[in-house]
Amino acid sequence: AAGVIQSPRHLIKEKRETATLKCYPIPRHDTVYWYQQGPGQDPQFLISFYEKMQSDKGSIPDRFSAQQFSDYHSELNMSSLELGDSALYFCASSLGLGGNTEAFFGQGTRLTVV
Amino acid sequence: SQQGEEDPQALSIQEGENATMNCSYKTSINNLQWYRQNSGRGLVHLILIRSNEREKHSGRLRVTLDTSKKSSSLLITASRAADTASYFCATDVGGGADGLTFGKGTHLIIQP
Repeated sequence: AAGVIQSPRHLIKEKRETATLKCYPIPRHDTVYWYQQGPGQDPQFLISFYEKMQSDKGSIPDRFSAQQFSDYHSELNMSSLELGDSALYFCASSLGLGGNTEAFFGQGTRLTVV
Repeated sequence: SQQGEEDPQALSIQEGENATMNCSYKTSINNLQWYRQNSGRGLVHLILIRSNEREKHSGRLRVTLDTSKKSSSLLITASRAADTASYFCATDVGGGADGLTFGKGTHLIIQP
């Protein structure tokens, strides 16, 4: 069965550069979530989208923005990168909102800022 | 502060033994989920327990939920070396796509 696809899997950027992470949800899933997991840390919720509209916002820095496109894929744009942005970035998708819907996670994008 | 906090932070046991990890949380929840993560890899969903459920089984996994104490436990029976990983609990408070709140995780090491 198709899973959540994230690209790229690895990304190295320099400080102050910009990065774009992509997420392709499971087909027919209409909700996408982004999480950030720093080294040795637990995943932190950044932002979510439902039906192409921003649904909820967590601890996402102002330097980051995201959107969900008409084909339901999502992109996380990160500008003015800092060393502390080095982390694993996970995308998850689900069908529908809330309730007891299971979210399926991608393998993550490992971003290294040097 | 974290919604979910797990203990122990690290656990090392012999293969074949049972491993128990605990998770506590602060607010009312819609459901609680357990995930496994191998070092630097993706999160693998293990089990979801709803707020009106008290216990759930899946293979060698047994999860309990005590909403009065705001706590949950994950028991892995007859552990195997392949169970070595970090285990996270995550709470869903419901009400839209507000994401999961993860605990700090327990790093489980199974000694062969």
